[in-house]
Amino acid sequence: DIQMTQSPSTLSASVGDRVTITCRASQTISSWLAWYQQQPGKAPKLLIYTASTLESGVPSRFSGSGSGTEFTLTISSLQPDDFATYYCQQYNSYSPTFGQGTKVEI
Amino acid sequence: EVQLVQSGVEVKKPGESLRISCKGSGYSFASYRISWVRQMPGKGLEWMGTIDPNDSETKYSPSFQGHVTISADKSINTAYLQWTSLKASDTAIYYCALIVVLRGPFDPWGQGTLVTVSS
Repeated sequence: DIQMTQSPSTLSASVGDRVTITCRASQTISSWLAWYQQQPGKAPKLLIYTASTLESGVPSRFSGSGSGTEFTLTISSLQPDDFATYYCQQYNSYSPTFGQGTKVEI
Repeated sequence: EVQLVQSGVEVKKPGESLRISCKGSGYSFASYRISWVRQMPGKGLEWMGTIDPNDSETKYSPSFQGHVTISADKSINTAYLQWTSLKASDTAIYYCALIVVLRGPFDPWGQGTLVTVSS
């Protein structure tokens, strides 16, 4: 299985901050990577797919980059609604795997 | 609107059987695969398996193979996740999610089903 490692596990930030989360794959996955946001008590929501394509309706302050084994999710100016947990997921193989999550807290 | 609606909260005892459901609407149910994802209390997301409702071909994560059964009934646009003998460690929220392209992310997700297993 392809292992996905996110860093950091927890991130403390303030409204207006620029935030970057990193995701590393144990082997190359080309650009077959998605990012999800999960608010407490809610189902995950797709933010970005194919590493850098913004899902329809997702604010432009979210962006993704990377290919191969190194990926980043950037929030350009953190808003109150962005305090949540973020997961990366590889879908290069038919056994998709998730990172362990990054909690963005105040 | 493409939507997955899951069955409600379940409270079970160890050793009991259970089947939870995920009903698709707003799209051709047999056209897209459905995955199941586990989230244990306070933990991350774990892919359990994926089914193609058109032919019921199923792929399981090695971590869940033999512990659960994934099935689908395309005549009623519903996918299922089933246990024959629950354990306390099965306590979790279970999500279903759609994969619209051959190689694609999970979108959208069902609202989740909380399963609590306790004596």
